[in-house]
Amino acid sequence: DTGVSQDPRHKITKRGQNVTFRCDPISEHNRLYWYRQTLGQGPEFLTYFQNEAQLEKSRLLSDRFSAERPKGSFSTLEIQRTEQGDSAMYLCASSLAAQRTSGRGNEQFFGPGTRLTVL
Amino acid sequence: GNSVTQMEGPVTLSEEAFLTINCTYTATGYPSLFWYVQYPGEGLQLLLKATKADDKGSNKGFEATYRKETTSFHLEKGSVQVSDSAVYFCALSDPGNFNKFYFGSGTKLNVKP
Repeated sequence: DTGVSQDPRHKITKRGQNVTFRCDPISEHNRLYWYRQTLGQGPEFLTYFQNEAQLEKSRLLSDRFSAERPKGSFSTLEIQRTEQGDSAMYLCASSLAAQRTSGRGNEQFFGPGTRLTVL
Repeated sequence: GNSVTQMEGPVTLSEEAFLTINCTYTATGYPSLFWYVQYPGEGLQLLLKATKADDKGSNKGFEATYRKETTSFHLEKGSVQVSDSAVYFCALSDPGNFNKFYFGSGTKLNVKP
């Protein structure tokens, strides 16, 4: 399977615990994105990487959230001191570098997501 | 700012009916536009895209035309199947930063046999 993979698919935790999710992008993609999706809503952008560099973070990404992509391949998203409001689906996507002039290459390919439930 | 507005669902149709899901957008500049589909228990899959005004994206019988004058990208299919039942998301890429996508809230489609 050469698509985007995420692990785990489901995570149930108690409030105050730390959780970490992993994303493995499509191997030739140099860009990796994290989104959060709550019930009945579309994905909301959290952050993205080009290779190992984190280039942008949304205001949605509080200090309790940290993302890394240490070798420019897989990425991890950690949430510290989880709160019930963190319950959501966390989606990872990857892409090639977008070509601004043609608009080509900026399709994002999504993984199946990690569903987090904070009790 | 950038935003996407989709018609609220759920949309319930009988098999072989005609489908339209409305999508309008607000953007500063000229975004690329996308439709993604999410089947139950799965991640989002790209359905089609259009990168400039008057472009028509098409895939699996679905079509959408980039209308700059009405800032719309409505999804259509002439004859839906039960297997088309899913949630459909309209999205745009930020004209100032193609890496940043904005999604609509999704429209759930139920197709009955």
